[in-house]
Amino acid sequence: KAGVTQTPRYLIKTRGQQVTLSCSPISGHRSVSWYQQTPGQGLQFLFEYFSETQRNKGNFPGRFSGRQFSNSRSEMNVSTLELGDSALYLCASSTTGTKETQYFGPGTRLLVL
Amino acid sequence: AQSVTQPDIHITVSEGASLELRCNYSYGATPYLFWYVQSPGQGLQLLLKYFSGDTLVQGIKGFEAEFKRSQSSFNLRKPSVHWSDAAEYFCAVGANDYKLSFGAGTTVTVRA
Repeated sequence: KAGVTQTPRYLIKTRGQQVTLSCSPISGHRSVSWYQQTPGQGLQFLFEYFSETQRNKGNFPGRFSGRQFSNSRSEMNVSTLELGDSALYLCASSTTGTKETQYFGPGTRLLVL
Repeated sequence: AQSVTQPDIHITVSEGASLELRCNYSYGATPYLFWYVQSPGQGLQLLLKYFSGDTLVQGIKGFEAEFKRSQSSFNLRKPSVHWSDAAEYFCAVGANDYKLSFGAGTTVTVRA
């Protein structure tokens, strides 16, 4: 089975721009979660989707948004980028998101200049 | 809300020596506990997990962890470390809110 895939792997943007990151879960997985990883804050939960519904959201400003499509693929969007948004964004998938392992993708490295 | 503490930011160990990484969690009910490993520039790979049952769990790459409810701990161990074990290790706790809460991570350096 193919693992979680994320595109693009690397991205450079400038302040004020917006960015969209994509995540394709493992086949059959309907839960997709997003995490932000930075040296200062570590791994922080952004949001989780299941069957196109957001079930939980972390403590991030409204500039961070996401969605999930009917094929379980997910995108996250960050508008009006700030320097502090530079991070590794990790996507994880699982079958239902409840009491089971989350499998992580390789991440998208975003650099905001 | 659940939380995880990894007291050791960095550990250096000689190749062939044993390794123990500490993890303490805070959660009111029975948690779901995980250890993940991350190599530089990579995503997270699951080493092992605890949901219920036997408190000593075996994982990949020769790792094991023991759940101790009385100490709220889930320490990771490996009897003999290989140079390829150099990486960052994360302990995580899951609850019934569809998210994982991670510790700050422990970086392991292996010296020859």
